[in-house]
Amino acid sequence: AQRVTQPEKLLSVFKGAPVELKCNYSYSGSPELFWYVQYSRQRLQLLLRHISRESIKGFTADLNKGETSFHLKKPFAQEEDSAMYYCALLPSGSRLTFGEGTQLTVNP
Amino acid sequence: NAGVTQTPKFQVLKTGQSMTLQCAQDMNHEYMSWYRQDPGMGLRLIHYSVGAGITDQGEVPNGYNVSRSTTEDFPLRLLSAAPSQTSVYFCASSWDTGELFFGEGSRLTVL
Repeated sequence: AQRVTQPEKLLSVFKGAPVELKCNYSYSGSPELFWYVQYSRQRLQLLLRHISRESIKGFTADLNKGETSFHLKKPFAQEEDSAMYYCALLPSGSRLTFGEGTQLTVNP
Repeated sequence: NAGVTQTPKFQVLKTGQSMTLQCAQDMNHEYMSWYRQDPGMGLRLIHYSVGAGITDQGEVPNGYNVSRSTTEDFPLRLLSAAPSQTSVYFCASSWDTGELFFGEGSRLTVL
């Protein structure tokens, strides 16, 4: 069965520092992977999906099939990046499976 | 264009009571789903629907019922509430099953 693991429940960095939110998955097929974000008092929303290969709000994520990872990175964190981040896996023909989430706090 | 609308936003129930969480979307999405969000457990899929008249179970369906009589509405029914159902519930809809549009959430407490 497919599974998504986000090993860090809490992550705290200072403004301007690089940030990396880890996501590992287990799935035997070819996956689609996503990052969703929930800012305080806002709806959960899609941040980026790996097939679009975009940089959104300075965030990027590269799918590493060898390591089965899809880590989210940003070179210079901003205070407004503080939020809950969820990694999600879409197996072929199935439904989105979410990880446990990582609460990111960017300190001034 | 309101997107996905959930009601109520907050609800307190006693064990054994029943209730319905309402979800409506105005984007003409065929796919709708319900998730529950619990600390340390992420979002878990309860039920989903790929169109009017079609529903299926997700990862944690026990204790919940759904129906989909129209494209717009996808209510979630708690048949006999239990404290283990204390959670935040999210309804979501989409054109495809990857990019979900979420409601604001409904916080349910079962005493």
